[in-house]
Amino acid sequence: KAGVTQTPRYLIKTRGQQVTLSCSPISGHRSVSWYQQTPGQGLQFLFEYFSETQRNKGNFPGRFSGRQFSNSRSEMNVSTLELGDSALYLCASSLNAGNTDTQYFGPGTRLTVL
Amino acid sequence: GESVGLHLPTLSVQEGDNSIINCAYSNSASDYFIWYKQESGKGPQFIIDIRSNMDKRQGQRVTVLLNKTVKHLSLQIAATQPGDSAVYFCAEMEPRSQGNLIFGKGTKLSVKP
Repeated sequence: KAGVTQTPRYLIKTRGQQVTLSCSPISGHRSVSWYQQTPGQGLQFLFEYFSETQRNKGNFPGRFSGRQFSNSRSEMNVSTLELGDSALYLCASSLNAGNTDTQYFGPGTRLTVL
Repeated sequence: GESVGLHLPTLSVQEGDNSIINCAYSNSASDYFIWYKQESGKGPQFIIDIRSNMDKRQGQRVTVLLNKTVKHLSLQIAATQPGDSAVYFCAEMEPRSQGNLIFGKGTKLSVKP
């Protein structure tokens, strides 16, 4: 079965722009979580979606948003990009929401903000 | 490759030796724990998990130990191989959490041939 896929793999943007990242979960998985990974802060939770609804959100500003479609694919959007948004953005999928199922990660999207 | 963390604790072992990677978790209420392995340029890869009603769980060449009294997790890798070289993260999840994994800072394992 195919794993979690993320597109694009690499992205370069300038400050003030916006960006949309895409995540396709493992077939049959209904929950998608997003994480930001930086050398300084490590892996930090952004938000989680299940059945097209945001179930939980981490401590990130409103510039970070997301959505999930009826086929469980998810997108996250970052508006008004700042230099500090440069990071590896990872999505993870699981069968269901919450702590009942293991989360499997995609390869990530490396975002560089200049 | 990508650096996943500056100033990560590093464990250097000889090929064939056993490795023990430790992690202190933050929330005594957490009831689900996972170890992930992250190689350069890749996303975290699931290794093994354990729930709080257990104190030990074994997989293929890996064992996770959970000590709830001191909020400590360890990952033991038997007969460490060069392919085990990576950064290892522990993650915890609280009860009724909505998909929010809390990750430790990671430990870099370096295996010398």
